[in-house]
Amino acid sequence: AQTVTQSQPEMSVQEAETVTLSCTYDTSENNYYLFWYKQPPSRQMILVIRQEAYKQQNATENRFSVNFQKAAKSFSLKISDSQLGDTAMYFCAFMEYGNKLVFGAGTILRVKS
Amino acid sequence: DTEVTQTPKHLVMGMTNKKSLKCEQHMGHRAMYWYKQKAKKPPELMFVYSYEKLSINESVPSRFSPECPNSSLLNLHLHALQPEDSALYLCASSQEWPGVYEQYFGPGTRLTVT
Repeated sequence: AQTVTQSQPEMSVQEAETVTLSCTYDTSENNYYLFWYKQPPSRQMILVIRQEAYKQQNATENRFSVNFQKAAKSFSLKISDSQLGDTAMYFCAFMEYGNKLVFGAGTILRVKS
Repeated sequence: DTEVTQTPKHLVMGMTNKKSLKCEQHMGHRAMYWYKQKAKKPPELMFVYSYEKLSINESVPSRFSPECPNSSLLNLHLHALQPEDSALYLCASSQEWPGVYEQYFGPGTRLTVT
């Protein structure tokens, strides 16, 4: 069974600084997708970024970028120029074709002013 | 603005009550999902509907009864719930299932069972 591990239960960062959230996963498949979802307090979950395993280039969405290391099965999220609105629970998630979305345990990120 | 809507936002019900949660999406998606989420935990999949047919039931107790009247609507009927069923219930949709498509989540219904 596929598993997703987020080893940092909580993290904090000063406003305007950069923070990296870690995620590792386990699979024997070669084709799959990885996602980072953000869930602010009492607000809905939104997709931050996605990465297709067959693409070597790391995905980027504005201040959010990933470091995808397929051989190491690692998928970290870097947030640059952190803003107060980035405070949220971040979930790393994994999906193979035909299977369900598998979430990690989540990392609570607090951005301090 | 969310494109997956859920009603009600909050629901308090007794263990003998019958209530329903509703979800609607207007993105033309053909797959819809129900998740249960406890505080500070990841969502847990309950049901998957594909083209209005139930595709996955993750061994959910029969006191939860899903219904998909059409491709835009998803209901979750609740009956004889237990206090441990108190949680945030999330609806999501994606272009299709199976496949690898982003899931778009609604804001959730916060359910309290007394």
